[in-house]
Amino acid sequence: NAGVMQNPRHLVRRRGQEARLRCSPMKGHSHVYWYRQLPEEGLKFMVYLQKENIIDESGMPKERFSAEFPKEGPSILRIQQVVRGDSAAYFCASSRGLAGNSGANVLTFGAGSRLTVL
Amino acid sequence: KNEVEQSPQNLTAQEGEFITINCSYSVGISALHWLQQHPGGGIVSLFMLSSGKKKHGRLIATINIQEKHSSLHITASHPRDSAVYICAVTTSGSRLTFGEGTQLTVNP
Repeated sequence: NAGVMQNPRHLVRRRGQEARLRCSPMKGHSHVYWYRQLPEEGLKFMVYLQKENIIDESGMPKERFSAEFPKEGPSILRIQQVVRGDSAAYFCASSRGLAGNSGANVLTFGAGSRLTVL
Repeated sequence: KNEVEQSPQNLTAQEGEFITINCSYSVGISALHWLQQHPGGGIVSLFMLSSGKKKHGRLIATINIQEKHSSLHITASHPRDSAVYICAVTTSGSRLTFGEGTQLTVNP
């Protein structure tokens, strides 16, 4: 059981390019969460997904950002036309069920993807 | 005012000292999480609790629901405990709200 796998670990993009960050949840986990950590700031919730469904995207910017968790394959966080302010660490976490409503639903975090926009 | 407040923001200790990090929150929660983040590294979930107390090795987490307060204790601290410790709460649905973190440095 490899845990939550995120890739790439580091990504450099120029302004205007697209960034795609991938997250494979732990085996048996069907709930995926994305968080962003801006430099020198705390973590902020972005989006919560289950297979093929976006459950809560209230923390995600309305423009340029999108997320998906297809039936097959990893969850993807996509940032179009990146700007310097998108430079941050993006963390993915997964849980078996809804995180927090049971002792069995502990969150497991990935190592993060660090995006740098030049 | 943040919904989750941690104190202190920075803490320096000598190896072997007993350490306490505090977390207060102002919203209704279904669970509280303590997380550990090493410099440049990933995040490890240390505890998830909704009542009482949990212990894992040298780490102890307590929560007082009535007072909306939680503490993370580290006994016999060691330099490898140096990290940022983050308190987070699960509010409605799945949303996690995070504190700003406490930077702990344990000197040998």
